[in-house]
Amino acid sequence: DTAVSQTPKYLVTQMGNDKSIKCEQNLGHDTMYWYKQDSKKFLKIMFSYNNKELIINETVPNRFSPKSPDKAHLNLHINSLELGDSAVYFCASNPGLAGNTGELFFGEGSRLTVL
Amino acid sequence: DAKTTQPTSMDCAEGRAANLPCNHSTISGNEYVYWYRQIHSQGPQYIIHGLKNNETNEMASLIITEDRKSSTLILPHATLRDTAVYYCIVRAWGGNQFYFGTGTSLTVIP
Repeated sequence: DTAVSQTPKYLVTQMGNDKSIKCEQNLGHDTMYWYKQDSKKFLKIMFSYNNKELIINETVPNRFSPKSPDKAHLNLHINSLELGDSAVYFCASNPGLAGNTGELFFGEGSRLTVL
Repeated sequence: DAKTTQPTSMDCAEGRAANLPCNHSTISGNEYVYWYRQIHSQGPQYIIHGLKNNETNEMASLIITEDRKSSTLILPHATLRDTAVYYCIVRAWGGNQFYFGTGTSLTVIP
């Protein structure tokens, strides 16, 4: 079983559209993250949720809205897509505050292309 | 945001040890050093972490200087599958911030 799974793996869409990327982890972790990796390969943290509550929001445009229906899921909804949103988006999880060894578990990434 | 600096790229001959340096001169007393790697465009993978003592696991060894301002990740016998971008991160124990820098692109040459 995949520990952190993201869907879709590839997404091609037009500017101005709204799209969502879903993430699920079956590790029982409390904390989940979204990272963006652009064409220059820089991996930048976007959001972090701990037990469904937002704990990190790294000055991401409000067109990006994460939603955590439960602690095993962290979805990313993007409104009014722009060319600069083209990137690979990675979801990750870690145990959270209790017993936190610092190991992040990443999904395989979702490649978003905005035309 | 990243508090580490690493060389942009390195080469290593297959079968030899790969030594990847990282500077973290502003590291705080409660911050650990973590290493991750990203193979091609897969999700990053945890390798090892340490506070001040040297650490070894099945993947690599981590050497941290006595003043903790720098560290070296050692892959003892590099293989072609070790070609990847290696990221050095500092993070407080129990903290949620994982800031990745630009990493070192390691190429293992046959």
